[in-house]
Amino acid sequence: QQPVQSPQAVILREGEDAVINCSSSKALYSVHWYRQKHGEAPVFLMILLKGGEQKGHEKISASFNEKKQQSSLYLTASQLSYSGTYFCGTEIWSGGGADGLTFGKGTHLIIQP
Amino acid sequence: KAGVTQTPRYLIKTRGQQVTLSCSPISGHRSVSWYQQTPGQGLQFLFEYFSETQRNKGNFPGRFSGRQFSNSRSEMNVSTLELGDSALYLCASSLVGRSSYEQYFGPGTRLTVT
Repeated sequence: QQPVQSPQAVILREGEDAVINCSSSKALYSVHWYRQKHGEAPVFLMILLKGGEQKGHEKISASFNEKKQQSSLYLTASQLSYSGTYFCGTEIWSGGGADGLTFGKGTHLIIQP
Repeated sequence: KAGVTQTPRYLIKTRGQQVTLSCSPISGHRSVSWYQQTPGQGLQFLFEYFSETQRNKGNFPGRFSGRQFSNSRSEMNVSTLELGDSALYLCASSLVGRSSYEQYFGPGTRLTVT
């Protein structure tokens, strides 16, 4: 089940804040966040696990609401380098283990000077 | 440490042909996952291999297959190519698996089917 990301696109001025949301209709085991710049491979930002464990870059923050099956990525004081497409990937726990990582369609973020 | 490498980077094939793509993970990584990326569908999971065994499979037809070798290198094969198979194919390696370990993506193979 593909997670739903919102918004689909957002344009910000440098220094502004943004929140990108990711929601699933199924109970999640983990949420992964990646950023992809045009013509480049996706780059890891953060992993949030059921139970509260988080792992990621210092300047990136995110939350994981297990009850609501939702995660949010917070980009504060945005810089030009934050521009790109942000993907959330979700894993659903299915008894014997986590299923494959399913990515949302992405959120396009444009930071203007 | 060298990153994930994929070969070839670009490929043009004709409908009905088959293709094999290769992925070399970061040294020490045992898990390799494959994804198909298209503008309309985003990143779609194909399959994951860990220690030469397929651990998970996405919702793709049987024309898509893969394997992993003892050195963790992986290949993906697509038989009887269709126009809709045109996409960027990305592989990602991880230390032991996806759940609590980040994935490192390769640059991808751009496949065009004519």
